[in-house]
Amino acid sequence: GESVGLHLPTLSVQEGDNSIINCAYSNSASDYFIWYKQESGKGPQFIIDIRSNMDKRQGQRVTVLLNKTVKHLSLQIAATQPGDSAVYFCAEKGSVSGTSYGKLTFGQGTILTVHP
Amino acid sequence: DAGITQSPRHKVTETGTPVTLRCHQTENHRYMYWYRQDPGHGLRLIHYSYGVKDTDKGEVSDGYSVSRSKTEDFLLTLESATSSQTSVYFCAISSKDYQPQHFGDGTRLSIL
Repeated sequence: GESVGLHLPTLSVQEGDNSIINCAYSNSASDYFIWYKQESGKGPQFIIDIRSNMDKRQGQRVTVLLNKTVKHLSLQIAATQPGDSAVYFCAEKGSVSGTSYGKLTFGQGTILTVHP
Repeated sequence: DAGITQSPRHKVTETGTPVTLRCHQTENHRYMYWYRQDPGHGLRLIHYSYGVKDTDKGEVSDGYSVSRSKTEDFLLTLESATSSQTSVYFCAISSKDYQPQHFGDGTRLSIL
């Protein structure tokens, strides 16, 4: 995957536009997915999650779409604001027998820049 | 934010010295995790805990040890720090499977 802060994909939008951030995952057995936002100097912040028995879930100004056929996850942010500028990355949980102790595999992210 | 406190927030030390980072949670969550975050690698799991005194290795555990003597505290120790362990370290907690992990604000560790 890519690097946090170096050579990450970037997305630049104007304030008020809708943003779409994409994530491809490789484990077809993954059954739980999470989007995180990370601002400079802070820890990752939970945004929204989705189980594999769903293909869409909405939160406040955010929507996550899951396409299991092509192993693709997207985060849509409506009416993007300058405060949304951050690194966004997805995480997945592989399906295992028994418990996985909540362990996740993290993608490396996309830098979103929102211009006023 | 979830009640997670990492200490110290910043530390500079010399090669060969022992270093202990602390993660303290007030959520009574069962699972706790230590990650490091580096350019080119993203978040990598060092060790995790699934209960008091129950810990296991992650993908980059060499050179690190952990202890969890009570639910709220998870300690990460670098027995003899090396420059390759310069990184930002994050602690995370989770209540159970299929729940998101919540992160602290990290410790920036520099080893000279």
